[in-house]
Amino acid sequence: DTEVTQTPKHLVMGMTNKKSLKCEQHMGHRAMYWYKQKAKKPPELMFVYSYEKLSINESVPSRFSPECPNSSLLNLHLHALQPEDSALYLCASSQETGSNQPQHFGDGTRLSIL
Amino acid sequence: TQLLEQSPQFLSIQEGENLTVYCNSSSVFSSLQWYRQEPGEGPVLLVTVVTGGEVKKLKRLTFQFGDARKDSSLHITAAQPGDTGLYLCAGVSNAGNMLTFGGGTRLMVKP
Repeated sequence: DTEVTQTPKHLVMGMTNKKSLKCEQHMGHRAMYWYKQKAKKPPELMFVYSYEKLSINESVPSRFSPECPNSSLLNLHLHALQPEDSALYLCASSQETGSNQPQHFGDGTRLSIL
Repeated sequence: TQLLEQSPQFLSIQEGENLTVYCNSSSVFSSLQWYRQEPGEGPVLLVTVVTGGEVKKLKRLTFQFGDARKDSSLHITAAQPGDTGLYLCAGVSNAGNMLTFGGGTRLMVKP
Protein backbone atom coordinates (compact mmCIF):
# COMPACT_ATOMS: atom_id res chain seq x y z
CA ASP A 1 0.00 0.00 0.00
CA THR A 2 1.22 3.44 -0.90
CA GLU A 3 1.76 5.99 1.87
CA VAL A 4 0.45 8.76 -0.38
CA THR A 5 -3.31 8.52 -0.78
CA GLN A 6 -5.10 10.02 -3.74
CA THR A 7 -8.84 10.39 -4.23
CA PRO A 8 -10.79 9.73 -6.28
CA LYS A 9 -9.13 6.87 -8.17
CA HIS A 10 -11.20 7.61 -11.27
CA LEU A 11 -13.00 10.77 -12.37
CA VAL A 12 -15.09 11.46 -15.44
CA MET A 13 -16.16 15.05 -15.97
CA GLY A 14 -17.52 17.32 -18.63
CA MET A 15 -15.67 20.34 -19.92
CA THR A 16 -17.86 22.74 -17.93
CA ASN A 17 -17.61 20.93 -14.60
CA LYS A 18 -15.59 21.94 -11.57
CA LYS A 19 -13.97 19.15 -9.58
CA SER A 20 -11.02 18.65 -7.23
CA LEU A 21 -8.37 15.98 -6.86
CA LYS A 22 -7.10 15.28 -3.36
CA CYS A 23 -3.79 13.98 -2.06
CA GLU A 24 -2.82 13.18 1.52
CA GLN A 25 0.39 12.01 3.21
CA HIS A 26 1.21 11.52 6.88
CA MET A 27 4.95 10.95 6.60
CA GLY A 28 5.80 14.46 7.74
CA HIS A 29 7.06 15.34 4.28
CA ARG A 30 7.31 19.06 3.55
CA ALA A 31 7.48 18.87 -0.25
CA MET A 32 4.55 17.79 -2.37
CA TYR A 33 4.18 17.50 -6.13
CA TRP A 34 1.59 17.15 -8.87
CA TYR A 35 2.48 15.27 -12.04
CA LYS A 36 0.52 14.54 -15.19
CA GLN A 37 1.09 11.24 -16.98
CA LYS A 38 -0.32 10.47 -20.42
CA ALA A 39 -0.63 6.88 -21.61
CA LYS A 40 2.72 5.20 -22.30
CA LYS A 41 4.62 8.36 -21.33
CA PRO A 42 6.65 9.30 -18.25
CA PRO A 43 5.22 11.63 -15.60
CA GLU A 44 5.52 15.36 -16.31
CA LEU A 45 5.94 17.76 -13.41
CA MET A 46 3.15 20.32 -12.97
CA PHE A 47 3.55 21.94 -9.53
CA VAL A 48 5.85 21.77 -6.51
CA TYR A 49 4.92 22.88 -3.01
CA SER A 50 7.60 23.37 -0.38
CA TYR A 51 6.53 24.08 3.20
CA GLU A 52 2.99 24.72 1.95
CA LYS A 53 4.10 27.39 -0.50
CA LEU A 54 4.01 27.02 -4.27
CA SER A 55 7.62 26.97 -5.41
CA ILE A 56 7.35 25.71 -8.99
CA ASN A 57 4.64 26.05 -11.61
CA GLU A 58 5.77 24.41 -14.84
CA SER A 59 3.73 26.79 -17.05
CA VAL A 60 0.54 24.90 -16.31
CA PRO A 61 -2.71 26.41 -17.72
CA SER A 62 -4.83 28.31 -15.21
CA ARG A 63 -7.65 25.77 -15.55
CA PHE A 64 -5.52 23.73 -13.11
CA SER A 65 -5.33 25.40 -9.70
CA PRO A 66 -3.30 23.79 -6.91
CA GLU A 67 -3.87 24.35 -3.22
CA CYS A 68 -1.98 23.20 -0.14
CA PRO A 69 -4.25 23.71 2.90
CA ASN A 70 -1.72 22.17 5.30
CA SER A 71 1.47 20.14 5.29
CA SER A 72 -0.40 16.85 4.82
CA LEU A 73 -2.84 17.81 2.10
CA LEU A 74 -2.54 18.84 -1.51
CA ASN A 75 -5.48 19.60 -3.78
CA LEU A 76 -5.76 20.19 -7.50
CA HIS A 77 -8.85 22.16 -8.52
CA LEU A 78 -10.06 21.60 -12.05
CA HIS A 79 -12.26 23.91 -14.10
CA ALA A 80 -13.13 24.07 -17.79
CA LEU A 81 -10.79 21.27 -18.75
CA GLN A 82 -10.20 20.13 -22.31
CA PRO A 83 -10.29 16.56 -23.69
CA GLU A 84 -6.49 16.61 -24.00
CA ASP A 85 -6.30 16.99 -20.22
CA SER A 86 -7.42 13.38 -19.85
CA ALA A 87 -4.54 11.61 -18.11
CA LEU A 88 -3.34 10.01 -14.91
CA TYR A 89 -2.64 12.68 -12.29
CA LEU A 90 -0.03 11.63 -9.78
CA CYS A 91 0.74 13.20 -6.43
CA ALA A 92 4.11 12.67 -4.77
CA SER A 93 5.83 13.81 -1.61
CA SER A 94 9.38 13.95 -0.31
CA GLN A 95 10.98 15.00 2.94
CA GLU A 96 12.10 18.28 1.42
CA THR A 97 13.10 19.74 -1.90
CA GLY A 98 16.74 20.50 -2.60
CA SER A 99 18.15 17.08 -1.79
CA ASN A 100 18.47 13.59 -3.21
CA GLN A 101 15.56 12.28 -1.19
CA PRO A 102 13.20 9.91 -2.95
CA GLN A 103 9.72 10.92 -3.95
CA HIS A 104 6.85 8.73 -2.80
CA PHE A 105 4.04 8.52 -5.33
CA GLY A 106 0.36 7.89 -4.89
CA ASP A 107 -1.50 5.58 -7.26
CA GLY A 108 -2.98 8.52 -9.12
CA THR A 109 -6.37 9.73 -10.25
CA ARG A 110 -7.33 8.65 -13.74
CA LEU A 111 -9.16 11.62 -15.23
CA SER A 112 -11.33 11.47 -18.33
CA ILE A 113 -12.75 14.64 -19.87
CA LEU A 114 -15.82 14.17 -22.04
CA THR B 1 16.50 21.73 -19.76
CA GLN B 2 18.09 18.44 -18.76
CA LEU B 3 17.03 15.51 -20.93
CA LEU B 4 17.28 11.79 -20.23
CA GLU B 5 17.22 9.33 -23.10
CA GLN B 6 16.08 5.89 -22.03
CA SER B 7 16.42 2.77 -24.17
CA PRO B 8 14.97 0.51 -25.27
CA GLN B 9 11.42 1.82 -25.20
CA PHE B 10 9.94 -1.68 -25.32
CA LEU B 11 11.35 -5.07 -24.45
CA SER B 12 9.62 -8.42 -24.64
CA ILE B 13 11.64 -11.39 -23.44
CA GLN B 14 11.24 -14.94 -22.17
CA GLU B 15 11.47 -15.85 -18.53
CA GLY B 16 15.08 -16.55 -17.55
CA GLU B 17 16.69 -14.14 -20.00
CA ASN B 18 18.90 -11.23 -18.96
CA LEU B 19 18.34 -7.63 -20.03
CA THR B 20 19.82 -4.17 -19.67
CA VAL B 21 18.06 -0.81 -19.75
CA TYR B 22 20.07 2.33 -20.43
CA CYS B 23 19.56 5.92 -19.39
CA ASN B 24 21.78 8.58 -20.98
CA SER B 25 22.12 12.34 -20.80
CA SER B 26 24.51 15.08 -21.78
CA SER B 27 23.86 16.70 -18.40
CA VAL B 28 25.29 15.88 -15.00
CA PHE B 29 22.85 14.86 -12.29
CA SER B 30 23.40 14.96 -8.56
CA SER B 31 21.77 11.54 -8.36
CA LEU B 32 19.66 9.21 -10.40
CA GLN B 33 16.62 7.26 -9.30
CA TRP B 34 15.02 4.18 -10.84
CA TYR B 35 11.31 3.54 -10.47
CA ARG B 36 8.99 0.73 -11.54
CA GLN B 37 5.38 1.43 -12.36
CA GLU B 38 2.69 -1.19 -12.77
CA PRO B 39 -0.67 -0.57 -14.48
CA GLY B 40 -3.09 1.35 -12.28
CA GLU B 41 -0.40 2.33 -9.79
CA GLY B 42 2.06 5.12 -9.20
CA PRO B 43 5.83 4.71 -9.69
CA VAL B 44 7.61 2.90 -6.87
CA LEU B 45 11.22 3.76 -6.11
CA LEU B 46 13.67 0.90 -6.64
CA VAL B 47 17.00 2.60 -5.93
CA THR B 48 18.86 5.91 -5.81
CA VAL B 49 22.45 6.10 -7.03
CA VAL B 50 24.44 9.12 -5.94
CA THR B 51 28.19 8.60 -6.44
CA GLY B 52 29.82 8.39 -9.87
CA GLY B 53 30.70 4.75 -10.60
CA GLU B 54 28.38 3.47 -7.89
CA VAL B 55 26.89 0.00 -8.27
CA LYS B 56 23.89 -1.13 -6.26
CA LYS B 57 22.26 -4.55 -6.24
CA LEU B 58 18.67 -5.34 -5.38
CA LYS B 59 18.26 -9.14 -5.64
CA ARG B 60 18.43 -9.83 -9.41
CA LEU B 61 18.60 -6.12 -10.32
CA THR B 62 21.94 -4.33 -10.66
CA PHE B 63 22.04 -0.55 -11.01
CA GLN B 64 25.09 1.40 -12.10
CA PHE B 65 25.75 5.15 -12.16
CA GLY B 66 28.27 6.34 -14.72
CA ASP B 67 31.57 7.81 -13.56
CA ALA B 68 30.59 11.24 -14.89
CA ARG B 69 27.08 11.01 -13.39
CA LYS B 70 25.50 11.48 -16.81
CA ASP B 71 24.26 7.94 -17.43
CA SER B 72 22.97 4.87 -15.67
CA SER B 73 21.99 1.31 -16.41
CA LEU B 74 19.70 -1.29 -14.94
CA HIS B 75 20.56 -4.95 -15.51
CA ILE B 76 18.09 -7.71 -14.66
CA THR B 77 19.37 -11.25 -14.39
CA ALA B 78 17.09 -14.23 -15.05
CA ALA B 79 13.99 -12.11 -15.59
CA GLN B 80 10.69 -13.35 -14.20
CA PRO B 81 7.08 -12.53 -15.19
CA GLY B 82 6.81 -10.52 -11.97
CA ASP B 83 9.41 -8.10 -13.37
CA THR B 84 6.92 -6.97 -16.02
CA GLY B 85 6.22 -3.26 -15.83
CA LEU B 86 7.31 0.23 -16.85
CA TYR B 87 10.82 1.09 -15.70
CA LEU B 88 11.59 4.78 -15.35
CA CYS B 89 14.89 6.46 -14.71
CA ALA B 90 14.78 9.93 -13.22
CA GLY B 91 17.63 12.35 -12.79
CA VAL B 92 17.80 14.75 -9.87
CA SER B 93 19.19 18.14 -10.86
CA ASN B 94 22.03 19.78 -9.00
CA ALA B 95 19.68 22.68 -8.23
CA GLY B 96 17.23 20.71 -6.18
CA ASN B 97 14.95 17.73 -5.97
CA MET B 98 13.28 18.17 -9.36
CA LEU B 99 13.02 14.89 -11.20
CA THR B 100 13.61 14.68 -14.93
CA PHE B 101 12.15 11.40 -16.13
CA GLY B 102 13.43 9.33 -19.00
CA GLY B 103 10.89 8.12 -21.56
CA GLY B 104 10.49 4.77 -19.81
CA THR B 105 11.09 1.16 -20.80
CA ARG B 106 8.07 -1.07 -21.00
CA LEU B 107 9.21 -4.61 -20.11
CA MET B 108 7.19 -7.73 -20.65
CA VAL B 109 8.54 -11.05 -19.40
CA LYS B 110 6.71 -14.03 -20.83
CA PRO B 111 6.53 -17.33 -18.90
